Amino acid sequence: GDSVTQMEGPVTLSEEAFLTINCTYTATGYPSLFWYVQYPGEGLQLLLKATKADDKGSNKGFEATYRKETTSFHLEKGSVQVSDSAVYFCALSRENSGYALNFGKGTSLLVTP
Amino acid sequence: DAGITQSPRYKITETGRQVTLMCHQTWSHSYMFWYRQDLGHGLRLIYYSAAADITDKGEVPDGYVVSRSKTENFPLTLESATRSQTSVYFCASSETQGYGYTFGSGTRLTVV
Repeated sequence: GDSVTQMEGPVTLSEEAFLTINCTYTATGYPSLFWYVQYPGEGLQLLLKATKADDKGSNKGFEATYRKETTSFHLEKGSVQVSDSAVYFCALSRENSGYALNFGKGTSLLVTP
Repeated sequence: DAGITQSPRYKITETGRQVTLMCHQTWSHSYMFWYRQDLGHGLRLIYYSAAADITDKGEVPDGYVVSRSKTENFPLTLESATRSQTSVYFCASSETQGYGYTFGSGTRLTVV
């Protein structure tokens, strides 16, 4: 079945450091890929998405490229801020599951001043 | 107000009791979902619905019941609550996969 694997956290970075959170997936066909962010005590918010191979999703300085050849969708940001501290979830969806999201387990990011 | 709302925000119930978590969205989105979030497991799909009166099981449906008589509402019922159902429950809705999903603020349920 479908699955999403994320690098385990927690990830601790200093402010202005470069961020990479790895995400790989297993799925048949052509899933859509997403990154969601969850700030403490809140629900999940869509951060960015990509619906086909080689698409790049971007938002708020974050980027991720849909790489079908490596089945990956790594999240990157060039310079993190303290306000980026949150849990980040990689997810995929496919039509034959009613477009339900299949999530990775999440990666906790802590950015220190 | 437009959006997706869950109620209650917090709930404590006793083992064996029936409890219903409510979810309401104002966009008339076709797709709605229930997830539970637990440490070490991330988010797991309980049930989903593609339209009114159409529901299907997700990864962890045992002990839960859903209904969707109206497009905007998707209640989740725990028929006989167990301690293992202590969790944070999130409802979400979507028009199509290309638009992503909007999540509610969650319901923190504690079964004692």
